[in-house]
Formats: sequence, C-alpha cells, structure tokens
Amino acid sequence: NAGVTQTPKFRILKIGQSMTLQCTQDMNHNYMYWYRQDPGMGLKLIYYSVGAGITDKGEVPNGYNVSRSTTEDFPLRLELAAPSQTSVYFCASSYYYRTGELFFGEGSRLTVL
Amino acid sequence: TQLLEQSPQFLSIQEGENLTVYCNSLSVFSSLQWYRQEPGEGPVLLVTVVTGGEVKKLKRLTFQFGDARKDSSLHITAAQPGDTGLYLCAGDSSSGSARQLTFGSGTQLTVLP
Repeated sequence: NAGVTQTPKFRILKIGQSMTLQCTQDMNHNYMYWYRQDPGMGLKLIYYSVGAGITDKGEVPNGYNVSRSTTEDFPLRLELAAPSQTSVYFCASSYYYRTGELFFGEGSRLTVL
Repeated sequence: TQLLEQSPQFLSIQEGENLTVYCNSLSVFSSLQWYRQEPGEGPVLLVTVVTGGEVKKLKRLTFQFGDARKDSSLHITAAQPGDTGLYLCAGDSSSGSARQLTFGSGTQLTVLP
C-alpha cells in the first residue's frame, strides 16, 4: 500500500517557468489537499478537494491551480513561477472530513531562481 | 485567519528527561491534532483530541486538550532519541463545506543520547 505518492521530490525552476506537481493516493480517499511548508511558518493550505470534479481555494491559492478529474489524482500547477513559491509542498488525503487523519506524501522541494 | 502558537520553537534535551510543549490560540477549535514530522518526510498523525479537558495517552506521550478548546499540550516522559522530530499541532475550525485546519509553526525537538 503506497499511500500518498508525490513527484518530483526535488525541482529547480527559473522565474517565469511553469510546472505541475503530481499527487496520487491509493486509499480511495475523497478528500485531498495541497499544503506548502516554509521554515518556521507551519503548513499553509493552498487548495483542497472534497471529491472528483470539486476543488476549492485554501489560505494561499494565488499563483497555483488544481484539478481533480479522478479520485486518485490531485495535481498542483504552478504558473509563472516566482521566488516566493520556493517551498516544500505536501499533498495529503483523508477519509473523514472534519476530524479525519491527514495522510501526507513525502513532499516536493521546489526552488525558484 | 486562526492563529496557533507553539512553544518552545526549539528544544534540546538529554535522553531520559521529561518535557512539555504547548499549542495556544485565542480561537476555539472543534478538534485538535498533533503530528510528528521527521526530516524528508511528511507529518504523521499522533493523536486527535475532540472534547474540552480530554487527556489521551500514547505510550510515553500524554496529550491534553484545554477545557475551553483553545489550547493543548504534549508531555513526553523519559524522552528517547527516537522522539526527535518536528511536532506540529493543527486546530480544526471548519464550518460547512470550507475546510479550515490551522497548523502551528512547530516545536523542533532533539533528544540527545
């Protein structure tokens, strides 16, 4: 059971480039999330999804887009990368919505130069 | 935006010592979770507390939710090097369909052998 799988683990982008972070879960969870983690700042919610075809903005959505065409996949798209998007990105999923345990991937470290 | 403050930010202790870390907010949460994160990995859930005043024990770890559901503490007895990691608290103040899980900035614990 792989859980939540994120790719790539590391990536360096130039300012203005675009890329997609991939996230797949094999636990049949309806709820999926993207967080970013900056040093000393905790985890900030970027986007979340309550099921296939349904997405919503979190606390820090600017500069990002998501889609949810299947239950398993929740890719995060960065358009026109900026240095402020340098961070570690975590995808997570949960079975329950309110008190549900979040299962996290191993993270994707993105550097924008 | 809800705010969760964790203290101390850094803690370095010797094996066998006891310690307490705190998670405080001015806001009320419907539930609160504690996660532990090791380098290069995503956070892993330790416990969820739901009821004000609730105490949960997980081997040498004791978690308490404040009576007013605004704060929480994590006490570790006889710390071991394997307890080393970043401890994150996360408070849930979701309403309706909007997911609102606020993470603290974390306590970095180092247990020296």
